[in-house]
Amino acid sequence: AQTVTQSQPEMSVQEAETVTLSCTYDTSESDYYLFWYKQPPSRQMILVIRQEAYKQQNATENRFSVNFQKAAKSFSLKISDSQLGDAAMYFCAYSGGGSEKLVFGKGTKLTVNP
Amino acid sequence: DTAVSQTPKYLVTQMGNDKSIKCEQNLGHDTMYWYKQDSKKFLKIMFSYNNKELIINETVPNRFSPKSPDKAHLNLHINSLELGDSAVYFCASSLIRGIGELFFGEGSRLTVL
Repeated sequence: AQTVTQSQPEMSVQEAETVTLSCTYDTSESDYYLFWYKQPPSRQMILVIRQEAYKQQNATENRFSVNFQKAAKSFSLKISDSQLGDAAMYFCAYSGGGSEKLVFGKGTKLTVNP
Repeated sequence: DTAVSQTPKYLVTQMGNDKSIKCEQNLGHDTMYWYKQDSKKFLKIMFSYNNKELIINETVPNRFSPKSPDKAHLNLHINSLELGDSAVYFCASSLIRGIGELFFGEGSRLTVL
């Protein structure tokens, strides 16, 4: 079964600095999708960024970028120029191999200090 | 114009009661899901429906019964509520079955006293 591991329960960063959140996953599939979702205190789950496994190029969305290492099964999220509004729970998620579901990691709580 | 909407947003009830949470999506997606987020924030799938057909039932107690009257709606009915059912329940939808991102509702916080 596919599993997603986020080894950092909590992280903190100073405003305007850069932080990297870690995620590893386990799968025997070659074709899959990886996601980072953000959950602010409002509870809404918001998609931050997605990566298709067949693409070698790392996905980027404004201040958010990923470091996708397929061989190592690693999918870290880098947040540049951190803002107070980035404070949230961040969930790494996996989908693929014909599975109907999205499998989530346990989340990393990010605090942004002014 | 909310894409995936759930009602109610908050629900407080006594043990043993029966309650329902409704979900509607206006994205034209074929696949809908129910996820449960526990007190430790862990998100786990409960059910998945594709075009009104049950696809995933993730060993959820049969006190939980999803119902999909059409592909835009997926409701969750819970019988004989227990303390352990307290959680946030998220409805979600996806364009392509089994692939790609999910669009989530705002969640329904259920508290069982």
